[in-house]
Amino acid sequence: DVKVTQSSRYLVKRTGEKVFLECVQDMDHENMFWYRQDPGLGLRLIYFSYDVKMKEKGDIPEGYSVSREKKERFSLILESASTNQTSMYLCASSPVAGNTIYFGEGSWLTVV
Amino acid sequence: KQEVTQIPAALSVPEGENLVLNCSFTDSAIYNLQWFRQDPGKGLTSLLLIQSSQREQTSGRLNASLDKSSGRSTLYIAASQPGDSATYLCAVKNQGGKLIFGQGTELSVKP
Repeated sequence: DVKVTQSSRYLVKRTGEKVFLECVQDMDHENMFWYRQDPGLGLRLIYFSYDVKMKEKGDIPEGYSVSREKKERFSLILESASTNQTSMYLCASSPVAGNTIYFGEGSWLTVV
Repeated sequence: KQEVTQIPAALSVPEGENLVLNCSFTDSAIYNLQWFRQDPGKGLTSLLLIQSSQREQTSGRLNASLDKSSGRSTLYIAASQPGDSATYLCAVKNQGGKLIFGQGTELSVKP
């Protein structure tokens, strides 16, 4: 079974803090993605990566950065958290030649 | 710009009913279409994937159809059960490889 693991399920951070959301996949997938999901707005792509050390901006990259130093790990970084970044964050992975995308359980981030 | 719409936003049915969830998209130049299920507070689980050259896919009580020319897909659930209660999302993959999601239909199946 493919497993995409988001280590932090629930976080509460203060405005201005630096926040790291970690995602690990165990299927040697080339592609990894970070989405955020908000009521009424659906899933929106923040960043994605097609290979180690490679990253591409999605639809809403402002206020975020990412790191992919190893193939299995894709980190989302909020340099200075703000209240409008309170959301559910979903990590996903997929093989380069495949079609199915696999999601993690999600990380609920509240910024106060 | 591709837009994906799911109607209705919420649906409540009694157990045992057959039901249809709808998904429409504005640009027919898609690579594939995928249906997902999301339980409250959880991630998304892929249910069915239809390639652009296919018309339908089936898995158990689920059947998904695709009509590219009209920009529509339906997810048919036969003999619904309370365990089917969840949010169902469709997503289209465009030729550039990007997934665009609808906002989902929240399904409640009452015992």
